Amino acid sequence: SQKIEQNSEALNIQEGKTATLTCNYTNYSPAYLQWYRQDPGRGPVFLLLIRENEKEKRKERLKVTFDTTLKQSLFHITASQPADSATYLCALDPDQGAQKLVFGQGTRLTINP
Amino acid sequence: DAGVIQSPRHEVTEMGQEVTLRCKPISGHNSLFWYRQTMMRGLELLIYFNNNVPIDDSGMPEDRFSAKMPNASFSTLKIQPSEPRDSAVYFCASSSSGTGGTQYFGPGTRLLVL
Repeated sequence: SQKIEQNSEALNIQEGKTATLTCNYTNYSPAYLQWYRQDPGRGPVFLLLIRENEKEKRKERLKVTFDTTLKQSLFHITASQPADSATYLCALDPDQGAQKLVFGQGTRLTINP
Repeated sequence: DAGVIQSPRHEVTEMGQEVTLRCKPISGHNSLFWYRQTMMRGLELLIYFNNNVPIDDSGMPEDRFSAKMPNASFSTLKIQPSEPRDSAVYFCASSSSGTGGTQYFGPGTRLLVL
């Protein structure tokens, strides 16, 4: 069956350290994978998109990798800050070429001062 | 840009009542998505429209749920009759080919069915 799984339901990291979140998928062949941030009581907000032919994408303190052989994406936040505390969702396109997305369950990240 | 607008933000109703959720997508976006989010099931796609036409409604739970998009700037999601298990946060999102697959979410409607 098709699955998209984020390995950790919750992650606690000390301020200043690098937070690494994992997204694995099974029986999908996505053209791209996206990461969103969701704060309590709000809708998800887009952060980064990485395509199947890209290994790595960076935006400020954020870095995403995409390994289509391992069927895995890693999301890194370097020099983490308490303001980075939120739930992070990965999403992929289950039907290449369509606009539809399937989301993982999310990882709740807490950065401790 | 005002972003995606949803109303109401909160809705409390009794079982058996009709509930209508509303969404105004970002101007110029031609795709609109309705999602439901619960602790147990996460964020699930219910239905999406492209150019006002329903493309995929495979996520709609049952016949009690219906969605319409009469024009490019308005969509509704209706639940009739509502049941306690419909309690969730319902999100509307929009996108366009120009956004490269990125979806822009509204603030959500928190629905509680008693």
